[in-house]
Amino acid sequence: NAGVTQTPKFQVLKTGQSMTLQCAQDMNHNSMYWYRQDPGMGLRLIYYSASEGTTDKGEVPNGYNVSRLNKREFSLRLESAAPSQTSVYFCASSRSYEQYFGPGTRLTVT
Amino acid sequence: SQQGEEDPQALSIQEGENATMNCSYKTSINNLQWYRQNSGRGLVHLILIRSNEREKHSGRLRVTLDTSKKSSSLLITASRAADTASYFCATDRAGWGAQKLVFGQGTRLTINP
Repeated sequence: NAGVTQTPKFQVLKTGQSMTLQCAQDMNHNSMYWYRQDPGMGLRLIYYSASEGTTDKGEVPNGYNVSRLNKREFSLRLESAAPSQTSVYFCASSRSYEQYFGPGTRLTVT
Repeated sequence: SQQGEEDPQALSIQEGENATMNCSYKTSINNLQWYRQNSGRGLVHLILIRSNEREKHSGRLRVTLDTSKKSSSLLITASRAADTASYFCATDRAGWGAQKLVFGQGTRLTINP
């Protein structure tokens, strides 16, 4: 079992560029999540998907879109990257309460 | 907004000593969880305590919950160098559902050999 995988591991974007962060899980979990982690801020929920076919906003959804492609995959898209989106992005999945996290994507927007 | 506030922000102790870190939150919760994050890695779930529980143990971990004070503590006994990590509390607010966790800012724990 690979658990939760994320691609890419690192990315540098220029302001205004777009990109999609990919996440996949092989644990047959219904729920998947996207978080961002900034220094001194802990993790903040961007979007989540309670089950295949549904997505909901979290605490900081502005500037992001998500797609729950199927039960395994949940992608996060930045349509027009801004320096304020420089952060480490974590994907997670869960069956009930315990969440399993991927290794993260470190994104820098210049 | 941050639901959990953790204290201290950083803690440095000698190997073998006990480490205690605290988490306070603002609203009623269903459950409180603790996670560990090693440097540069994703978070790993440690333990969950429900709002109707006061104490829970798992190996060298002891978690307490005081809903009247809206606070929780995580005790790691007989610390080891491998316990060096950041520790986060996470709450799911009553009425929000299990999926919407709110994380604290974390306590950075350093175990000195």
